Amino acid sequence: KAGVTQTPRYLIKTRGQQVTLSCSPISGHRSVSWYQQTPGQGLQFLFEYFSETQRNKGNFPGRFSGRQFSNSRSEMNVSTLELGDSALYLCASSALTGFNTDTQYFGPGTRLTVL
Amino acid sequence: AQTVTQSQPEMSVQEAETVTLSCTYDTSENNYYLFWYKQPPSRQMILVIRQEAYKQQNATENRFSVNFQKAAKSFSLKISDSQLGDTAMYFCAFTFNQFYFGTGTSLTVIP
Repeated sequence: KAGVTQTPRYLIKTRGQQVTLSCSPISGHRSVSWYQQTPGQGLQFLFEYFSETQRNKGNFPGRFSGRQFSNSRSEMNVSTLELGDSALYLCASSALTGFNTDTQYFGPGTRLTVL
Repeated sequence: AQTVTQSQPEMSVQEAETVTLSCTYDTSENNYYLFWYKQPPSRQMILVIRQEAYKQQNATENRFSVNFQKAAKSFSLKISDSQLGDTAMYFCAFTFNQFYFGTGTSLTVIP
């Protein structure tokens, strides 16, 4: 099976702009999670989508949003970019096992730089 | 609240030696999963090993093994015969309803 893919791999934006990142999960996986990774904060959970519905949400401002399509592909959007949004954004897909999320498989990430 | 703690921000080990990375977690749940993930420098995060909480037997994957102590809520990773390719950031993770990650341990294997 093909792995998790994320596009684009690199992005440079300026403050105040908005950005959309895309994630295609492993075939058959219906759960997609997004994380922000920075050197100082580690992995911070943004949100998880399952069957086009947001299942869990982390503690991020409303500028961060996401959605999932019927084919399980997911997008996340960040509006009004701030310098502190510079980070590696990771997407992970998983096959839910009942209530629990089983093993997550990660994509290569999108490196976002905000100038 | 579920939390995962990795108390060793950085570690180093000589090639071919054994190293143990520590992880503790806090939860009131009984059925959950535990994981160790590896993120090499500038490379993709990959799964190292997975443990189901209801299984008492410790998981093993080649040179990687865990010491799972459910009552103590401890989940350490042992890497035997360390190789240069083991140099990476290692994240401990716990999942119940959603994933919770520790802050990571940066492991350097010294030739």
